[in-house]
Amino acid sequence: GAGVSQSPRYKVAKRGQDVALRCDPISGHVSLFWYQQALGQGPEFLTYFQNEAQLDKSGLPSDRFFAERPEGSVSTLKIQRTQQEDSAVYLCASSLAPGRGLDEQYFGPGTRLTVT
Amino acid sequence: GQNIDQPTEMTATEGAIVQINCTYQTSGFNGLFWYQQHAGEAPTFLSYNVLDGLEEKGRFSSFLSRSKGYSYLLLKELQMKDSASYLCAVRDKTGNQFYFGTGTSLTVIP
Repeated sequence: GAGVSQSPRYKVAKRGQDVALRCDPISGHVSLFWYQQALGQGPEFLTYFQNEAQLDKSGLPSDRFFAERPEGSVSTLKIQRTQQEDSAVYLCASSLAPGRGLDEQYFGPGTRLTVT
Repeated sequence: GQNIDQPTEMTATEGAIVQINCTYQTSGFNGLFWYQQHAGEAPTFLSYNVLDGLEEKGRFSSFLSRSKGYSYLLLKELQMKDSASYLCAVRDKTGNQFYFGTGTSLTVIP
């Protein structure tokens, strides 16, 4: 079956440009997470959705970062006025259950963002 | 704050056993997860512990002691394809957030 997909896989943006990163979770998965992963580091939590509700956005590093999941399936992470420190891999993960038990996360392949 | 510590790098020999430790200090706890991540790829789930003790799954086992804030991942009969980064992650009590360690880069040598 289809896993989590993300697009684009690679994005090069000039400093100051806006970017939009898309995540298609596994169908029927309630939970959706966005992470930022710098080279050689573990994923850092950005935000969490349960269906269409954004229950936690405490990890978003600044107000330039915005995420939405309007119909409870596809999600978009938008970064406005990109800066060089935004360069990272952005991972999306989905899981079936809302934060209980063996709530295995399935990760997408990530979008590698390079800001020049 | 949240603090999850793992060794940065480890090397082990093909066919051997390796133990990767993880210690954590978090404001809440609702399960500990181990993920494997090959270079340039997405993390994939390996194991989950929420109660103290050992969980075994084929060549992989994971142990948890909540009172000590400690877990380990045990890999047996190492294969070359096990060379990867191993990530320890703690889920917070709300279930809304996962805190990852920086990962342990394991190199398996012949």
